[in-house]
Amino acid sequence: AQSVTQPDIHITVSEGASLELRCNYSYGATPYLFWYVQSPGQGLQLLLKYFSGDTLVQGIKGFEAEFKRSQSSFNLRKPSVHWSDAAEYFCAVGGSARQLTFGSGTQLTVLP
Amino acid sequence: ETGVTQTPRHLVMGMTNKKSLKCEQHLGHNAMYWYKQSAKKPLELMFVYSLEERVENNSVPSRFSPECPNSSHLFLHLHTLQPEDSALYLCASSQEGRGQHYGYTFGSGTRLTVV
Repeated sequence: AQSVTQPDIHITVSEGASLELRCNYSYGATPYLFWYVQSPGQGLQLLLKYFSGDTLVQGIKGFEAEFKRSQSSFNLRKPSVHWSDAAEYFCAVGGSARQLTFGSGTQLTVLP
Repeated sequence: ETGVTQTPRHLVMGMTNKKSLKCEQHLGHNAMYWYKQSAKKPLELMFVYSLEERVENNSVPSRFSPECPNSSHLFLHLHTLQPEDSALYLCASSQEGRGQHYGYTFGSGTRLTVV
C-alpha cells in the first residue's frame, strides 16, 4: 500500500528566509509525486508534480522539489519565502491507479 | 467558467435534513472524486467516478450517497447526518490515461456544519 509522511506538522520561518518542507513516501515502484497548497477556506492548488526524468522539478510561485529515490523523499523548497506563502502544504503520492494518497499536511507560518 | 466549481460554499443543516452538494468541472476530465477534510486528519477519499464506474471507500457511511449523471457533474446527497460529519468536502477531477497520473484539480470546497 502507498503512504505519505510529512514529519513536520507546523513550520515557522521569517519572510525572506529559505524553506524546506519534508515528504517521505512508501510505494513499490516509481511513484507519481505531487505537492499541493491550501489557503484557508480554499481547495487544494497543485504546486508541482514529478512523473519521471529530471529529479529536480520546478513549480509555480517559485517552488521546487527534488525526488530522491534512495531516501524515498520528495522535499519541497523555496529560496526566499514571502508572507503570501503562509498556508498548508500537502504532499501526495499516486501510482498507476487513479487514486492519490495525501500526507497529513504541514502548516507554514511566515513571520514579518 | 473554468476549473472545478462547487456549490454551495457553506451549508448548515440539521441532523434530520436532506441536502445535496454539487460539483461541476469544465476541464474535459474523465474522473471525479469526493474527499472529506476534517480538522487535523488526512484527506479522506470518499468516492471515485471514473469512466462511469463508481469506486467507494467502504468506510463511508450510507448517509452519504454520490451521483454522477455525466462526466462533468458530481453530486453528494446527504441525509440524517451526524455532528461528526461537519467538515470541508472537496471535489476534484482528473484526466485518466493508461499508466499515467496527471494529478487532481480541486474545487474550493463546501464547508458543511451539522447542528
